[in-house]
Amino acid sequence: GAVVSQHPSWVICKSGTSVKIECRSLDFQATTMFWYRQFPKQSLMLMATSNEGSKATYEQGVEKDKFLINHASLTLSTLTVTSAHPEDSSFYICSALGQGDEQYFGPGTRLTVT
Amino acid sequence: AQSVTQPDIHITVSEGASLELRCNYSYGATPYLFWYVQSPGQGLQLLLKYFSGDTLVQGIKGFEAEFKRSQSSFNLRKPSVHWSDAAEYFCAVGYNTNAGKSTFGDGTTLTVKP
Repeated sequence: GAVVSQHPSWVICKSGTSVKIECRSLDFQATTMFWYRQFPKQSLMLMATSNEGSKATYEQGVEKDKFLINHASLTLSTLTVTSAHPEDSSFYICSALGQGDEQYFGPGTRLTVT
Repeated sequence: AQSVTQPDIHITVSEGASLELRCNYSYGATPYLFWYVQSPGQGLQLLLKYFSGDTLVQGIKGFEAEFKRSQSSFNLRKPSVHWSDAAEYFCAVGYNTNAGKSTFGDGTTLTVKP
């Protein structure tokens, strides 16, 4: 089946720095990718919809200047957490839309901001 | 607005026993319903989905779910649980065929006793 990878799988960064998370569809092209945030023991919260070649669409309450999304190719979307703070620590998950509207999820990235 | 409730935060069953995970939704129109499983360190995997037609839906890994409009429920079942089924299970409701903009429940953690 279709595979979506995320890199890195976990990252620790200092407060005030920026960190980039990559989401790749390995064996299919995805014009649409999604970025989610998952808090411990809670559900996934959609942050934004990433469309190849155009600006991302952010959900209400998500700061677009803090969570920069770039979908420069049909197989890669990146999420950059700018000026990270401890409250940004979370599990970030991406998904890519494949054929027939099938959605494939990445394994997630654990971000810890110290 | 759509919402999803998974009443059981944690369920423990013995291997070989039957399983039912509950999911209740609130949505004004015909819902699109999904069940996902998330194993530690892995992305979400689609177990099954319901869009229309037969209200009993068969999925992968021996899972099935039944859509009951009168009860606004979409419970997940498996006749005989295997130790490898231990994971986090998420129910989601949306308004189109891809789960990207769906609302996810908070999840149910399944523990399987030997």
